Amino acid sequence: SQELEQSPQSLIVQEGKNLTINCTSSKTLYGLYWYKQKYGEGLIFLMMLQKGGEEKSHEKITAKLDEKKQQSSLHITASQPSHAGIYLCGAAGSNYKLTFGKGTLLTVNP
Amino acid sequence: DVKVTQSSRYLVKRTGEKVFLECVQDMDHENMFWYRQDPGLGLRLIYFSYDVKMKEKGDIPEGYSVSREKKERFSLILESASTNQTSMYLCASSPPGAAQNIQYFGAGTRLSVL
Repeated sequence: SQELEQSPQSLIVQEGKNLTINCTSSKTLYGLYWYKQKYGEGLIFLMMLQKGGEEKSHEKITAKLDEKKQQSSLHITASQPSHAGIYLCGAAGSNYKLTFGKGTLLTVNP
Repeated sequence: DVKVTQSSRYLVKRTGEKVFLECVQDMDHENMFWYRQDPGLGLRLIYFSYDVKMKEKGDIPEGYSVSREKKERFSLILESASTNQTSMYLCASSPPGAAQNIQYFGAGTRLSVL
């Protein structure tokens, strides 16, 4: 079965700083999904990456899927307190199922 | 706007009780999912359904059952609640086809079994 490892597990940054979260898969990725979760709430879909080398951006968040398709990175530029939360990556598998990483907890200090 | 509604945000039950967690989506999605989320273990799939009256076991179905009598509603049932089922339960739905892996989540139900 596919496993996703996220690093770091947690991250504390000062407002305005850039940061990167990584998601590494044990198998080739055929679709990688980034979600954000505010503490105690549900997940919100951020971006989907499907092709090796693909890069997508939404506001100050950029996600990339590497050429060999076993790793994705999520980069936040000029972080703000509103970026705080748990970021999870999910990989598409068979039968409608997504396998999720354990998440990266981001704290942004004002 | 897409909406997945879980009936309760917080629930406290006693060991041995039968517990129903309800989830309703208003997007006419075919696929619906139940997960539990625990510290250090992440999000784990309990059951999912890709059509009315259809269900498939996820990774951790033991101790749970589900019901999907109508397209918009997917219920998770704990037949006899146990303390190790204390967790955050998340429901999600997704459309068919190319976007099937873009799941829309409810706000979650935090269940405590005493």
